[in-house]
Amino acid sequence: AQTVTQSQPEMSVQEAETVTLSCTYDTSESDYYLFWYKQPPSRQMILVIRQEAYKQQNATENRFSVNFQKAAKSFSLKISDSQLGDAAMYFCAYRVYSGGGADGLTFGKGTHLIIQP
Amino acid sequence: DAGVIQSPRHEVTEMGQEVTLRCKPISGHNSLFWYRQTMMRGLELLIYFNNNVPIDDSGMPEDRFSAKMPNASFSTLKIQPSEPRDSAVYFCASSFTRQNTEAFFGQGTRLTVV
Repeated sequence: AQTVTQSQPEMSVQEAETVTLSCTYDTSESDYYLFWYKQPPSRQMILVIRQEAYKQQNATENRFSVNFQKAAKSFSLKISDSQLGDAAMYFCAYRVYSGGGADGLTFGKGTHLIIQP
Repeated sequence: DAGVIQSPRHEVTEMGQEVTLRCKPISGHNSLFWYRQTMMRGLELLIYFNNNVPIDDSGMPEDRFSAKMPNASFSTLKIQPSEPRDSAVYFCASSFTRQNTEAFFGQGTRLTVV
């Protein structure tokens, strides 16, 4: 079974600084997808960034980027120039695509990100 | 598109009562997922459907839980009878059944069983 581990229950960063959230996963699959989702207090789950395992290039979305290390099964999220609106729970998620269609996401337990003004 | 729509947003019920949660996926999406979120267990996949067919229900905790998807635009998650330990936020999500697509989540239903 696939597992996703986020070892940092909570992180705090000063506004405008950079923070990195860690995620490791365990899988025997070679083709899969990794995601970071953000959940603000409104509880809406919002996709932050996506990475396909077959791509060597790390994904980037504006201030958000990932460091994907496939051999180490590591998928960290870097947030640059942190803003107050980035404060939320961040979930790392894994998904494998089987021949029958899309499988469900497996989530980590989340990291609570606090932005200090 | 209005996104994934769940109802109700909040539900308070007494132990032993039947609870039905509803979900309308994004039009055109053919995969639908039900998740449960609690502080202790985080986000757990309960069941998912591809093209209205249940594919994996191994996450459904007990026989008290059942889910249906009678058509491409509607799904229900039913708990009968409900218990206090069922209190959680229940999310519905939908996506396309193909590679590299993310799941889009509804706002969730906060269920409290007293």
